[in-house]
Amino acid sequence: GAVVSQHPSWVICKSGTSVKIECRSLDFQATTMFWYRQFPKQSLMLMATSNEGSKATYEQGVEKDKFLINHASLTLSTLTVTSAHPEDSSFYICSAFGLAGDAKNIQYFGAGTRLSVL
Amino acid sequence: GESVGLHLPTLSVQEGDNSIINCAYSNSASDYFIWYKQESGKGPQFIIDIRSNMDKRQGQRVTVLLNKTVKHLSLQIAATQPGDSAVYFCAENFSGGYNKLIFGAGTRLAVHP
Repeated sequence: GAVVSQHPSWVICKSGTSVKIECRSLDFQATTMFWYRQFPKQSLMLMATSNEGSKATYEQGVEKDKFLINHASLTLSTLTVTSAHPEDSSFYICSAFGLAGDAKNIQYFGAGTRLSVL
Repeated sequence: GESVGLHLPTLSVQEGDNSIINCAYSNSASDYFIWYKQESGKGPQFIIDIRSNMDKRQGQRVTVLLNKTVKHLSLQIAATQPGDSAVYFCAENFSGGYNKLIFGAGTRLAVHP
């Protein structure tokens, strides 16, 4: 139980295009999902907190118009990198926080999405 | 801002030995701590957690120790195996902080045969 699926696992796009990343909790309802960014050999940096049915809360320094987050249901959150540029290339990871069943009040992470912007 | 840090960036051990990975945290209000394992190209995997009302918790081959006096957290892995090779992150959470996790810098564990 407590599986978080992230899609796609790897995406390559041209500079100026937008990319959407999906994060799904497969066997539990996630009231809150988080989006992180990780550069090579570095730690995870929280970008935003996504609550179902409400606007995301962004961390300081994260552009909300650049990184659009939608959490339309208790099992799906999406991150859209708009007008992507090479400096946006990174490993994006989502996590889901649930209160029921096997989620047990723990953040479970997706496998990550590697974004390469050419 | 406050952060969670690690003493050692890389730890090399022999297969079968015990491993100890250390972490220092600075937010005295943090009341929940988690260790995650991250293999290359994958998301973090939950290993073990501990709440601030405890000082030790054991799992399968892993033990987490919490010393609130010096704000120190450690992960002990018994009989380390090649499959334990990964980057290990400690993370702290403040229950009043909307379940946000603050991650440490990470320690790479390399297990040699």
